[in-house]
Amino acid sequence: GIQVEQSPPDLILQEGANSTLRCNFSDSVNNLQWFHQNPWGQLINLFYIPSGTKQNGRLSATTVATERYSLLYISSSQTTDSGVYFCAVRNYGGSQGNLIFGKGTKLSVKP
Amino acid sequence: GAGVSQSPSNKVTEKGKDVELRCDPISGHTALYWYRQSLGQGLEFLIYFQGNSAPDKSGLPSDRFSAERTGGSVSTLTIQRTQQEDSAVYLCASSLDIAGGRETQYFGPGTRLLVL
Repeated sequence: GIQVEQSPPDLILQEGANSTLRCNFSDSVNNLQWFHQNPWGQLINLFYIPSGTKQNGRLSATTVATERYSLLYISSSQTTDSGVYFCAVRNYGGSQGNLIFGKGTKLSVKP
Repeated sequence: GAGVSQSPSNKVTEKGKDVELRCDPISGHTALYWYRQSLGQGLEFLIYFQGNSAPDKSGLPSDRFSAERTGGSVSTLTIQRTQQEDSAVYLCASSLDIAGGRETQYFGPGTRLLVL
């Protein structure tokens, strides 16, 4: 099955810094979503982005489907950005409803 | 409701007992998903329902796990004869559809299951 690798596994930032999180996947995808899981466990959908670029406030994401990777950019990080960021994909020919999740990047933003 | 809701929030049970976990999806969402997240791990797909189609059960780890979705809305995940390795957070999500750019998944708060 499709493999999803996220890097780095852990990231510590000072408040105000910028960061880039990466998601590599091993096959063509027709669905890619980024999620943030806050320290209380709630998963929030950040982007549905199987291709192209999107921006939402301080967050933006780019997926280059032909090269099988996606990037999540966080600018001017805040302590509330702390948590785990997951990338999830569905590949062509895969189960329609089955998103495969990476292991996540754990982000800690220090004040 | 405004979002996906799940109940109970927490469940402690004894090994061998059966448990039922409930999920109320966002109104109007045709697709509903169950995932499991073990401590410090990523999410593991269990099952999904879409409209009136037969559910995709390919992620269920054993025949002790089953799920149903009544009336295209509320879903119940049942674990029979619970084992300690079933301890995890069980997450439910829903989406408008499973194609056409309407696949954004919205998650509930989860049910934390502890099997003693």
